[in-house]
Formats: sequence, C-alpha cells, structure tokens
Amino acid sequence: GAGVSQSPRYKVAKRGQDVALRCDPISGHVSLFWYQQALGQGPEFLTYFQNEAQLDKSGLPSDRFFAERPEGSVSTLKIQRTQQEDSAVYLCASSSHAYEQYFGPGTRLTVT
Amino acid sequence: SQQGEEDPQALSIQEGENATMNCSYKTSINNLQWYRQNSGRGLVHLILIRSNEREKHSGRLRVTLDTSKKSSSLLITASRAADTASYFCATDGLTGTASKLTFGTGTRLQVTL
Repeated sequence: GAGVSQSPRYKVAKRGQDVALRCDPISGHVSLFWYQQALGQGPEFLTYFQNEAQLDKSGLPSDRFFAERPEGSVSTLKIQRTQQEDSAVYLCASSSHAYEQYFGPGTRLTVT
Repeated sequence: SQQGEEDPQALSIQEGENATMNCSYKTSINNLQWYRQNSGRGLVHLILIRSNEREKHSGRLRVTLDTSKKSSSLLITASRAADTASYFCATDGLTGTASKLTFGTGTRLQVTL
C-alpha cells in the first residue's frame, strides 16, 4: 500500500485523557499536514511540517494540541486533556510538491 | 475558519444527469482545487486550476474559475452512482504556508439510479 495511513482509525477517549494519533505519509514525501474535520464541515488546517521542521502551527486550537515529526517521516498528533469539542476526524496529508496533497483515511476521535 | 461556502449544500440527481456545484472564497489565491470525500474515507484530489486559468477539463469534470468574483464551479457530466460523495473546494494562499489548504463547507451529492 503506497498511500497515507493513519492509526487508530477510531478512538474513544474519556474527557481529560490524553490521545496520540499517528500518520505514516507516503515514502519520500517532504511535506506533511494535519487537518481537523468537524461533522458536516470541511477540513481545517492544524499544522504543517517540511521534513522534521514544523513550519506552521497556526491552526492548532490550543496548547493542548502538539504535533511532532522527529525523523521527517512518521508524525504524531497529541491532544492532552481531551475535551468534548475535540471530537472530530483528524486527517493527515502528505505531498512531494506544493500543490496536490494525498490524504489518509483519518482518525475519528470521540470524546465522551 | 472556512475559506468560503459552497452551494448547494446538498444536491440529489439521477444517474446520467449533470451536477453543478459552486464555491466562493474570500482571499486572493494561487490555486483552487476540488476534492471528493466518500463516506468514511479520506479526501481524493480531483483537479487543480491555477489563478491565471479560467477553465479546465479532466474526463467528466469541468472546472471554471472567476477570480474577479472569487468563485469557482465544478461540473460533473453524465453522473454515475459512484459519484455520490461530498465535494470540497480548497484554496491555497499567497502568504504564509503557500500550500496550506483552506476548504469550503462542501456539497453533498447524491446520485440515484
């Protein structure tokens, strides 16, 4: 499978728990993006990596959200002390150039 | 925040008919792209149109762009049941992270037999 993969596909967390969402981009893709998609809405940008450098984190909604890509490949989005409003689908995308992004299937997070 | 809106929010047509959906955006752009999202699956890139282009075709897809009105349309001709999905326009901006995509609110297309 040469596509972007994400795990877990579904995550249920109790309010206050920490969660970690993983993204495996397409091999060799320099750029990696995280988006958050609320029910019935379009995806919203969270953060962007070029290799291991986090160049833009302007979309992270609070300091409870943290993303990393330490070796320039796999990325992890961590949410601390989850709240109900964090319930959404979290999408990861990778790209080898500036324009076309390849999206993973997403992780559906439900905070109860 | 969303870049703009798409209309209609939902569209139901019969197989073989054409489907047209529109997208409006707020700020100046480099490119506009259309993506499709099937239920429970990720987004799939359909077509990209540059800000200096007015029309582009790809198979059964036709995209137009009017930068003076900050709007775009996607036409799917001879629709099929497999076209049932949500369709999103996405723009990338002139400042900041150039390839960061800002999505519209989406049009849910239902194609019935």
